[in-house]
Amino acid sequence: EIVLTQSPGTLSLSPGERATLSCRASQSVSSSYLAWYQQKPGQAPRLLIYVASSRATGIPDRFSGSGSGTDFTLTISRLEPEDFAVYYCQHYGTSLSFGQGTKLEIK
Amino acid sequence: EVQLVESGGGLVQPGGSLRLTCAASGFTFSSYSMNWVRQAPGKGLEWVSCISSSSSTIYYADSVRGRFTISRDNAKNSLYLQMDSLRAEDTAVYYCARVWPITIIRGAADYWGQGTLVTVSS
Repeated sequence: EIVLTQSPGTLSLSPGERATLSCRASQSVSSSYLAWYQQKPGQAPRLLIYVASSRATGIPDRFSGSGSGTDFTLTISRLEPEDFAVYYCQHYGTSLSFGQGTKLEIK
Repeated sequence: EVQLVESGGGLVQPGGSLRLTCAASGFTFSSYSMNWVRQAPGKGLEWVSCISSSSSTIYYADSVRGRFTISRDNAKNSLYLQMDSLRAEDTAVYYCARVWPITIIRGAADYWGQGTLVTVSS
């Protein structure tokens, strides 16, 4: 099973700033089957990115994903107030697992 | 509009059973694999199980294998999770989610229900 480790655990930034979230896999992720989700309190997760860099339907272009192999990054270019939430990465394909999450909070 | 609505959660004693249902609408249910994902209070996401569009292929997380059974009824556009031998650590919100892309079984999840809370306690 692939273990995903997200960093940092908490990220404190201000609206308008750039956010960089990391997801590291314990072994190489085949076919770049890596997804990112956003979850706000009391809500279900929302798919942001799949196959490491493709934006899901309706996701603003300030969200971008990159990486391959074992190192992946979610970047939010200019934070909007509604972007403060918890973000999870997920490996899928040969098996399924989630990272432990990164909380993005307002500084 | 894609909609997934879970039901069947509640309070159950340790060792008991519960059956969750997910009613799907707004898409061709029989064409998609489906997931169950859970989230313990204040914790992260944990994948539980997935089932292919025809029910021919099923996967479980190690933590629930042998106790939980996933199934579906394409004629009723419904997904199920039968949970037996429940433990306190199974307490969580359970989400059903549609698998994306359509070509793989253990995929990402592009649409999610609102979740149903299962509490295992005496």
